[in-house]
Amino acid sequence: RKEVEQDPGPFNVPEGATVAFNCTYSNSASQSFFWYRQDCRKEPKLLMSVYSSGNEDGRFTAQLNRASQYISLLIRDSKLSDSATYLCVVNIAGNYGQNFVFGPGTRLSVLP
Amino acid sequence: DTEVTQTPKHLVMGMTNKKSLKCEQHMGHRAMYWYKQKAKKPPELMFVYSYEKLSINESVPSRFSPECPNSSLLNLHLHALQPEDSALYLCASSHFATGSTDTQYFGPGTRLTVL
Repeated sequence: RKEVEQDPGPFNVPEGATVAFNCTYSNSASQSFFWYRQDCRKEPKLLMSVYSSGNEDGRFTAQLNRASQYISLLIRDSKLSDSATYLCVVNIAGNYGQNFVFGPGTRLSVLP
Repeated sequence: DTEVTQTPKHLVMGMTNKKSLKCEQHMGHRAMYWYKQKAKKPPELMFVYSYEKLSINESVPSRFSPECPNSSLLNLHLHALQPEDSALYLCASSHFATGSTDTQYFGPGTRLTVL
């Protein structure tokens, strides 16, 4: 089983739609959780950290369920500029350093 | 300022060449990382330096040799690469604050082509 798994995608949605991405992780020692977005041929950029209480940043809402080892990202009122690959990242910090593990990513295309 | 810089942006090299990739950050971060990313795949961790010491080496071939001259700089020395090593090489840094939500910031990457 992969350490971090995500919806396989791609997701093709019309502008204005609400879209939800799911991510699961296998290591219960995971300490912190993130969503990054990556545009084609660019570096990953931090979208938001994910906390147990849930957090919201404008149109984006992230949730963490530690018991189920599950992370989600909800995008409301999708814009064309939201088209990108969304990467779920889990930090399994240990004595030897931080180990940020990436999921395979889910590609989103927002269509006019 | 959350900037990580990388040079060069693009690099084309032959299989017998020796080249180096450079990464720099001035955020006071004490952990720095090298990742390799192939098209349509997520970044794969290669090396982690914590407080200028190599802390994680993900069984990377010896033709890739990392170096951390100081807390702001990270190099990746390349020698006798293969065409399958062509990829986007990403550098990242983080505070390395244990027990907290340490966050990685990425540089723009070096796009490497091995002929």
